[in-house]
Amino acid sequence: DIQMTQSPSSLSASVGDRVTITCRASQSISSYLNWYQQKPGKAPKLLIYAASSLQSGVPSRFSGSGSGTDFTLTISSLQPEDFATYYCQQRITFGQGTRLEIK
Amino acid sequence: EVQLVESGGGLVQPGRSLRLSCAASGFTFDDYAMHWVRQAPGKGLEWVSGISWNSGSIGYADSVKGRFTISRDNAKNSLYLQMNSLRAEDTALYYCAKDREGGIAAAGNYFDYWGQGTLVTVSS
Repeated sequence: DIQMTQSPSSLSASVGDRVTITCRASQSISSYLNWYQQKPGKAPKLLIYAASSLQSGVPSRFSGSGSGTDFTLTISSLQPEDFATYYCQQRITFGQGTRLEIK
Repeated sequence: EVQLVESGGGLVQPGRSLRLSCAASGFTFDDYAMHWVRQAPGKGLEWVSGISWNSGSIGYADSVKGRFTISRDNAKNSLYLQMNSLRAEDTALYYCAKDREGGIAAAGNYFDYWGQGTLVTVSS
């Protein structure tokens, strides 16, 4: 089975910062990598699919890149509503999550 | 507007059974695969089971194989999860999620809509 490893597990940042979260697959997955945002007490929300395609309605400050085994989610300028936990996913496997906290 | 509403959760003793339901609306239910994803308290997301549009393909996580059964009723726009022989480690919030396509095996699958979840607590 393919394993998905996110780094860091947690991250502190300030409003306006540029933030990057990394996801690494245990073997090549082409561009089949998706990103979700989950706020406390809420269901996950799809942000990015196929590594770099922005889901409808998601702000353009979110972007994704990568292929093969290494992928990144970037938030260009953090907004207060972006503080949440982020998960990568490939098929039925999720990464362990990255908790983004306010510094 | 796509809506997924889960129900059927609750407190149950170890070894007992529970049936979860997910009522779907706002899209053509029988065009899409559906999934159950769970989240234990304070933990990450774990895929539990998925079913293709016509119930022809079904998959389970190893942790629930042989104990859980997924099914769907396209006439009722509903998804189900029959959970037997429940264990303490099955305690979680169970989400119903819509796939972006009809099959469950595609490498490019993703879950574009999620319900709010139903909480299952397994405890004596």
